[in-house]
Amino acid sequence: SQTIHQWPATLVQPVGSPLSLECTVEGTSNPNLYWYRQAAGRGLQLLFYSVGIGQISSEVPQNLSASRPQDRQFILSSKKLLLSDSGFYLCAWSVFRETEAFFGQGTRLTVV
Amino acid sequence: AQSVAQPEDQVNVAEGNPLTVKCTYSVSGNPYLFWYVQYPNRGLQFLLKYITGDNLVKGSYGFEAEFNKSQTSFHLKKPSALVSDSALYFCAVRDIDRGSTLGRLYFGRGTQLTVWP
Repeated sequence: SQTIHQWPATLVQPVGSPLSLECTVEGTSNPNLYWYRQAAGRGLQLLFYSVGIGQISSEVPQNLSASRPQDRQFILSSKKLLLSDSGFYLCAWSVFRETEAFFGQGTRLTVV
Repeated sequence: AQSVAQPEDQVNVAEGNPLTVKCTYSVSGNPYLFWYVQYPNRGLQFLLKYITGDNLVKGSYGFEAEFNKSQTSFHLKKPSALVSDSALYFCAVRDIDRGSTLGRLYFGRGTQLTVWP
């Protein structure tokens, strides 16, 4: 069966520090991968979307970047965190573009 | 643009009563619709989907959803609510008809369901 791993679960980082959140998927090949951010426990904002290695689509301009160095690995990064980067970050994957997405357990990022 | 709307921020229902969480959608082609549930500080869990076929879709934990093309709605329902159903519910739509945004999954703002004993 397929599983998705996302870590760390919680993270407290000072303003100006770098960020690296990692997401890996097991049990499938060539998944579609997503990074979402959820602010204030409500709406989800799609940040990045990837259909394959090295193929990243960015939804909104921001202080973050994403990379897909391997087929089932998706990394969310920042060179210098801002206070506004605080939030709940969710990684997700799907088999095809039409099908449901499955989510990781999320990372609670607090920038102080 | 593809979008979904959840008109209610909060739904309260007594345990044992039926529940409905509303969702309306706007798509340029055929809708691919989904419902998810989120418990506090957790990721989203997939409940059910509509791709094609029967308008009444059955999913996990006794939930079902009714697709209504004329009203562009996809309401989530359950005949008898449980206290443990209390959570945040999200409706989502797939964007598959625009080449530059192929496959993106867009979510509504969420509806907080509270089931009281």
